[in-house]
Amino acid sequence: AQSVTQLDSHVSVSEGTPVLLRCNYSSSYSPSLFWYVQHPNKGLQLLLKYTSAATLVKGINGFEAEFKKSETSFHLTKPSAHMSDAAEYFCVVSLSGYSTLTFGKGTMLLVSP
Amino acid sequence: DAGVIQSPRHEVTEMGQEVTLRCKPISGHNSLFWYRQTMMRGLELLIYFNNNVPIDDSGMPEDRFSAKMPNASFSTLKIQPSEPRDSAVYFCASSTRGATDTQYFGPGTRLTVL
Repeated sequence: AQSVTQLDSHVSVSEGTPVLLRCNYSSSYSPSLFWYVQHPNKGLQLLLKYTSAATLVKGINGFEAEFKKSETSFHLTKPSAHMSDAAEYFCVVSLSGYSTLTFGKGTMLLVSP
Repeated sequence: DAGVIQSPRHEVTEMGQEVTLRCKPISGHNSLFWYRQTMMRGLELLIYFNNNVPIDDSGMPEDRFSAKMPNASFSTLKIQPSEPRDSAVYFCASSTRGATDTQYFGPGTRLTVL
C-alpha cells in the first residue's frame, strides 16, 4: 500500500525566516509526489510536482522540494516566509499501479510578524 | 480558464432532506473526483470518474450517497437522506489524464446538516 506521513501537524515561523515542512512516504516503486496548499476557505492549489526528472523541484511562490529516495522523503522548503504563506500544506503521493492519490493529513503553517 | 466550478458554495439543510452538490470540471479534463474534508478525517476521496464512467467509488460512505456524471461538463453528488455527520466541505477536482495526474480543485461546498 502507498502511504504518506507529514511529520508535523503545525509549524510556526516568523516572517522572513526559513520554512521546512516534512513529508515521508512509503513505496516499493517510483512515486509521483505533489505538494498542495490550502488557504482558509479555499480549495487546494498545486505548489509543485515531482515525476522522476530533477530531484529538486521548484514550485510557485518561492517554494521548492527535494526528492530523496534513500530517505523516502519529499520535504518542502522556502528560504524566507511571508505572511501570505500561512495556510495548510498537503503532501500527496501517487504510485504506479494505484488509481488514486494518497493525501497526507496536512501541516498547518503559522507565520508571525 | 474558469477553473473547476462548484455550486452552491454553502448549503445549510435539516436532517432528512436531500442535498445535491454540483460540479463543472475544467474543459478538456477527462477525470473528475469528489472529495470530502472534515477536521476528524481529513481529505477523503469519495468517487472518481474517468470519461464520465465511475472508476472507483470505494470511498462513498453508504447508500445515502450517490454521484453521477451525465456528460463531460457536469457532475452531481447527492445525499439522501442527509444526516448531521455528513456536515463537511465537499470538493470537486478534475485532471487531464486520470487519478495520478495533477488535480485541479474547485472552491468547495460547505455543507451543514442540522
